[in-house]
Amino acid sequence: NAGVTQTPKFRVLKTGQSMTLLCAQDMNHEYMYWYRQDPGMGLRLIHYSVGEGTTAKGEVPDGYNVSRLKKQNFLLGLESAAPSQTSVYFCASSPYVPENTEAFFGQGTRLTVV
Amino acid sequence: AQTVTQSQPEMSVQEAETVTLSCTYDTSESDYYLFWYKQPPSRQMILVIRQEAYKQQNATENRFSVNFQKAAKSFSLKISDSQLGDAAMYFCAYRSGRNSGGYQKVTFGTGTKLQVIP
Repeated sequence: NAGVTQTPKFRVLKTGQSMTLLCAQDMNHEYMYWYRQDPGMGLRLIHYSVGEGTTAKGEVPDGYNVSRLKKQNFLLGLESAAPSQTSVYFCASSPYVPENTEAFFGQGTRLTVV
Repeated sequence: AQTVTQSQPEMSVQEAETVTLSCTYDTSESDYYLFWYKQPPSRQMILVIRQEAYKQQNATENRFSVNFQKAAKSFSLKISDSQLGDAAMYFCAYRSGRNSGGYQKVTFGTGTKLQVIP
């Protein structure tokens, strides 16, 4: 019962460093998402993917890149980290159908950029 | 684009009492789905309840129920017999129906932090 797994769970970066967050799901879901959660702002969509090899921008895509080379994996990259990217990052997945299915979430990654 | 508004950043309730969390949304679509998620301190996002817009009957799950007012675009969550374990952040979320361009996205509100007082 792995569901959605995110690695790492915690990370501290220096300004300008790069890193990749990995998300893996074992539910054969078509859709995958990356959100960031900040106090008072809820969850905001960074990028999402509707299938292997496809990605699209969400609400707050600047400073991030993503890739989905395999259906089960969705990677979020920060090329040059900035303090404004300090946040908790969540990966989620959902199936194409049934339509009323909720999104399944990973446990989050707390990223601090100093 | 759809928006989801939770106007209560924080709420508190006495243990065993009832509390209602508010959520409103803005959409021009007729086919959509609404969800309430719970996020305890562990950060894990847990589905509490879902509502299909085409269903007039309000969804219920044990002590959790919703008041879905489609015309008013309101989707409130009622928690009855509140328990200490209900203390968490609660998020309202919206997903478009399959025939909508935004079907693949899920939009969240800003959350309501619920405190349960013993």
